[in-house]
Amino acid sequence: GQNIDQPTEMTATEGAIVQINCTYQTSGFNGLFWYQQHAGEAPTFLSYNVLDGLEEKGRFSSFLSRSKGYSYLLLKELQMKDSASYLCAVRDDSNYQLIWGAGTKLIIKP
Amino acid sequence: ETGVTQTPRHLVMGMTNKKSLKCEQHLGHNAMYWYKQSAKKPLELMFVYSLEERVENNSVPSRFSPECPNSSHLFLHLHTLQPEDSALYLCASSPFGGDTEAFFGQGTRLTVV
Repeated sequence: GQNIDQPTEMTATEGAIVQINCTYQTSGFNGLFWYQQHAGEAPTFLSYNVLDGLEEKGRFSSFLSRSKGYSYLLLKELQMKDSASYLCAVRDDSNYQLIWGAGTKLIIKP
Repeated sequence: ETGVTQTPRHLVMGMTNKKSLKCEQHLGHNAMYWYKQSAKKPLELMFVYSLEERVENNSVPSRFSPECPNSSHLFLHLHTLQPEDSALYLCASSPFGGDTEAFFGQGTRLTVV
């Protein structure tokens, strides 16, 4: 079956670093996406990994290991505005549809 | 602003009502999607349209009826819904296939009473 696992909730301190993990078991793989969703708003695209390794974009980085079915999103220098849900999604290579995790709610404390 | 607009933002309807959700995109994308988002659950794909033709229907109850009159507009017609259908309904668009991301609208928060 298709399954995406990520922690339900995490708490971190302003200015610190946090790593949100995502593990997946899917029949096919054609890339992994991370989205950010603030409460009551649209999910917005953060990153895309299709090859193993680290992709860095400013304060956010995303890592992928296809052999381990594992990814993480790393957020540095946390700001209060980073409080949001972070969604991990895998693209199936048979139909290009996205398989979604339930999201990780990140709470930032001063 | 992601380029995908949904209306209304909030909707409360009775179980015997008929209502429609609207989605509009002017990003030049040729695929549009309806998703259901319930609390603490993964996004559930409901319908996919590519070039105005329905590509996938993930066994959604017939009380949800999609319509895609052109590549920029997508509707979700609702009738005789149940309280468990209360959720956030998200529309998204993307170039079909490829490596690019989907762009989401802000959603319609639906409450069925």
